[in-house]
Amino acid sequence: AQKVTQAQTEISVVEKEDVTLDCVYETRDTTYYLFWYKQPPSGELVFLIRRNSFDEQNEISGRYSWNFQKSTSSFNFTITASQVVDSAVYFCAPTPGSNDYKLSFGAGTTVTVRA
Amino acid sequence: DTGVSQNPRHKITKRGQNVTFRCDPISEHNRLYWYRQTLGQGPEFLTYFQNEAQLEKSRLLSDRFSAERPKGSFSTLEIQRTEQGDSAMYLCASSGIGQAPRQYFGPGTRLTVT
Repeated sequence: AQKVTQAQTEISVVEKEDVTLDCVYETRDTTYYLFWYKQPPSGELVFLIRRNSFDEQNEISGRYSWNFQKSTSSFNFTITASQVVDSAVYFCAPTPGSNDYKLSFGAGTTVTVRA
Repeated sequence: DTGVSQNPRHKITKRGQNVTFRCDPISEHNRLYWYRQTLGQGPEFLTYFQNEAQLEKSRLLSDRFSAERPKGSFSTLEIQRTEQGDSAMYLCASSGIGQAPRQYFGPGTRLTVT
């Protein structure tokens, strides 16, 4: 059975601080994909990133960066120099990928950025 | 790209009534998904279509729930004999084909059963 865990329920930071969100995906699958979505107060889920289980390279895109360590099934997402508009619920959502396309969302981490 | 649209955005109904929601995916997308999200939780998968074929249904989808996607375009999700536990946000997403494609989500339909 697969299990996705977002241990942090809430994170509160002051604007310009960095925020790192943790996600652990336990699975026996060797091939899978990991997504991060953001859900601002308006409610609509916004796609952030997609990575596959073969790629452990850290990447940076603008203020976002991510770090995947397959040995620990840990997929972390960092927002650098946070802004008030980053306040949202962030979901980690893995999918087995090969013939199974449904996303299995974690419980989410609520990020509050204070001015 | 006009995005995924869902109607209605809000629905209040009395217990025991039937409700139907509609989702219009991005026009060129073959796959369409339904998820349900309750307060404070992440979305949970309900069912998905590839074109007009319903390929998977979650155990969450009881006999009171039915989804269709005639002609492989828009989809409807019907809940019969609604119960208070059905109160949730119902999310629709669509995607192209391929390995784990990005899913584009609609704004959701918030159902309140009184």
